[in-house]
Amino acid sequence: DIQMTQSPSTLSASVGDRVTITCRASQSIGTWLAWYQQKPGKAPKLLIYEASTLDSGVPSRFSGSGSGTEFTLTISSLQPDEFATYYCQQYNNYPGTFGQGTNVEIK
Amino acid sequence: EVQLVESGGALVQPGGSLRLSCAASGFTFINYALSWVRQAPGKGLEWVSGINGIGDATYYADSVKGRFTISRDNSKNTVRLQMNSLRVEDTAVYYCARWGGRWGQGTLVTVSS
Repeated sequence: DIQMTQSPSTLSASVGDRVTITCRASQSIGTWLAWYQQKPGKAPKLLIYEASTLDSGVPSRFSGSGSGTEFTLTISSLQPDEFATYYCQQYNNYPGTFGQGTNVEIK
Repeated sequence: EVQLVESGGALVQPGGSLRLSCAASGFTFINYALSWVRQAPGKGLEWVSGINGIGDATYYADSVKGRFTISRDNSKNTVRLQMNSLRVEDTAVYYCARWGGRWGQGTLVTVSS
């Protein structure tokens, strides 16, 4: 199985900060990576697929990059509604493994 | 708009069975692989099972292999998860998801005596 290592596990930030989350795959997955945002009690929301394509309606301050084994999610200016947990998932092959999540909390 | 709506979650005793359903709309159903993903209380996300577009290839996490069965009905735009021999550790919110795409809102499965 492909292992996904996400870092950091917790990130303290302020409104307006630039935030970067990293996801590393244990083997190459091309660009078959998705990023999700989850708020407490809610379903994960797709932000980015194929490593860098924003889902419809996702603000342009979110961006994704990377290929192969290293990927990043960047929020250019963190908004109050974006304190949440973020997950990466590889879907290059089964099982579709997830990173352990990054909790973005208020500093 | 892509919509996935899960149903079938319930409280069930250990050793029992349950069948989850997911009704899809807003996209060409047969063109997409689908998955079930679960989240135990306070925990991260765990991929459970997947099925390809035409339904002739299925995949399972080791934790559910031999107990869960995924299937789809492309005439009804529905995917199902038959869960047998349920264990306390299967307690979770179960999400239906397009492979690498959007998810439904989830349905709660509680396994407890």
